[in-house]
Amino acid sequence: TQLLEQSPQFLSIQEGENLTVYCNSSSVFSSLQWYRQEPGEGPVLLVTVVTGGEVKKLKRLTFQFGDARKDSSLHITAAQTGDTGLYLCAGASNFGNEKLTFGTGTRLTIIP
Amino acid sequence: EPEVTQTPSHQVTQMGQEVILRCVPISNHLYFYWYRQILGQKVEFLVSFYNNEISEKSEIFDDQFSVERPDGSNFTLKIRSTKLEDSAMYFCASKRTGGESPLHFGNGTRLTVT
Repeated sequence: TQLLEQSPQFLSIQEGENLTVYCNSSSVFSSLQWYRQEPGEGPVLLVTVVTGGEVKKLKRLTFQFGDARKDSSLHITAAQTGDTGLYLCAGASNFGNEKLTFGTGTRLTIIP
Repeated sequence: EPEVTQTPSHQVTQMGQEVILRCVPISNHLYFYWYRQILGQKVEFLVSFYNNEISEKSEIFDDQFSVERPDGSNFTLKIRSTKLEDSAMYFCASKRTGGESPLHFGNGTRLTVT
């Protein structure tokens, strides 16, 4: 069974600070996705990383896939209150096959 | 922007009853999925569906569960005889093609079994 552990589970920081969320596994994934989920809504895809060592940027968000494709990180620069939400990582064992293994989630709160 | 639509948003049913959860995927999408999320737990894969048949299913998706695409637009999940532990948020998702085509989730149906 593949597992994805996210850390921290909860993170509360001041607006303007930087933060990093981690997603770790002992299993190799062919791709890894990051989602954001708002209360009462489904997850919304932020990014997919496919190649070991790959880095993708989405405005103030930087996503990295580990060299061994077992872990990933999400770094947010100069956090804003609008970044508040639940962030989920999800791994696919076969690329393009969305039988995803979801992580445990990181609930981020940005304090104004 | 096109959306995956799920109805109802909340369904309450008694243990042992059958429920059908409905989804309208994005119109030109070809791959369909059901996931569930028990309160406070991780999102879990249930089943994937392509070309009018199940591609893959998880251990959760036992004989009590079935999926159907009865027409060109709807994609349904049926639970034949609900149990208390089936209470969860059920998410439908779809994607246009295989590969790096993004997966789009609906807003879910909250199923409460009493």
